[in-house]
Amino acid sequence: GNSVTQMEGPVTLSEEAFLTINCTYTATGYPSLFWYVQYPGEGLQLLLKATKADDKGSNKGFEATYRKETTSFHLEKGSVQVSDSAVYFCALVLYNQGGKLIFGQGTELSVKP
Amino acid sequence: GAVVSQHPSWVICKSGTSVKIECRSLDFQATTMFWYRQFPKQSLMLMATSNEGSKATYEQGVEKDKFLINHASLTLSTLTVTSAHPEDSSFYICSARPHRRSNQPQHFGDGTRLSIL
Repeated sequence: GNSVTQMEGPVTLSEEAFLTINCTYTATGYPSLFWYVQYPGEGLQLLLKATKADDKGSNKGFEATYRKETTSFHLEKGSVQVSDSAVYFCALVLYNQGGKLIFGQGTELSVKP
Repeated sequence: GAVVSQHPSWVICKSGTSVKIECRSLDFQATTMFWYRQFPKQSLMLMATSNEGSKATYEQGVEKDKFLINHASLTLSTLTVTSAHPEDSSFYICSARPHRRSNQPQHFGDGTRLSIL
């Protein structure tokens, strides 16, 4: 089946530290991959996406590269800020299978000043 | 662009009442909308897929008579929690996918926190 696995949180970092949140997936087809961010009490915001192998999605200093050989889509940021504190969800979608998003379990990030 | 509005954002009501949650796509048309439920510190659980002009498709284990979904137009889907009980308390989130752009990502509303007393 199709699934997404993220590293467990919470992840606690100091401001300006380097961030990596691991995400791996299994899929029966050729998925598109996403990172969504959820701030407390809010819905999800699309952070970045990649639609095919070797694509790099980037936004607001965050990056993730679609690695087909390792079935991974790890999220990275070179220097985190307190305002990056949130829950991050990795997700995949198979548009030829109804377009449902399949989410990882989410990783809570806490950035301390 | 691609804004999804969800209303209300917070509702508290007595056990046994029915609660309607609206999901609107403000600047695009959405043939398909999705309804999710999220428990504290957990991921989103897809409840149902709402298709404009047709019946919703419910995920396994979701009671369709309990969670009524109506998608009467290309910009509005509603979720009605009928005869709500405390175990229905949760965070409900909708998302919408642009019409005729099935390979575009879903856009999410800000969620509705439902508390049943």
